[in-house]
Amino acid sequence: EDQVTQSPEALRLQEGESSSLNCSYTVSGLRGLFWYRQDPGKGPEFLFTLYSAGEEKEKERLKATLTKKESFLHITAPKPEDSATYLCAVQVSMNYGGSQGNLIFGKGTKLSVKP
Amino acid sequence: EAQVTQNPRYLITVTGKKLTVTCSQNMNHEYMSWYRQDPGLGLRQIYYSMNVEVTDKGDVPEGYKVSRKEKRNFPLILESPSPNQTSLYFCASSSLSYNEQFFGPGTRLTVL
Repeated sequence: EDQVTQSPEALRLQEGESSSLNCSYTVSGLRGLFWYRQDPGKGPEFLFTLYSAGEEKEKERLKATLTKKESFLHITAPKPEDSATYLCAVQVSMNYGGSQGNLIFGKGTKLSVKP
Repeated sequence: EAQVTQNPRYLITVTGKKLTVTCSQNMNHEYMSWYRQDPGLGLRQIYYSMNVEVTDKGDVPEGYKVSRKEKRNFPLILESPSPNQTSLYFCASSSLSYNEQFFGPGTRLTVL
């Protein structure tokens, strides 16, 4: 069964304390991996798409990386405004029975950054 | 402004009373999708549509219907709502080329 697991469930950091969030996946064939940010009471907001192992993408204090089994979202010198829930999702390759339209989300990591 | 809109934003109803949640996007996206979000379960896909008149089941389609008669609209229909459909619902859209999904603001549904 295709599965996405995010860890930790919750993470509390001090402002400036860098850390990483993990997204591990077990799918028969990966077409793409997505990271989203979700603020309380709002819809998820797109951050990154990664397609192949070794790929990296950056945006401000965030950097996403991908291996064959997992993805990391690295947060460098976080600020209180980075506090949110970060969601990971995978799209299974159509060559392995997946559909371009079907996304499988992890349960998210709730990040709190204290000043 | 590029956006996905959902209506209503909040709805309290009773078991068995048919309801429709509307979703509309102004970005000319081919792909649209419905999700529900529940504590401890995360976001789960209900239905999605790759284009007009093309819809497919996601992971939790039971008890829901959708239609895609126009490119911009993708309504979610609950013909006979039950309390286990109490949830936060999100609509999303994207172009098929870029896969970046834009989410609506959410509809909080309570079924008594």
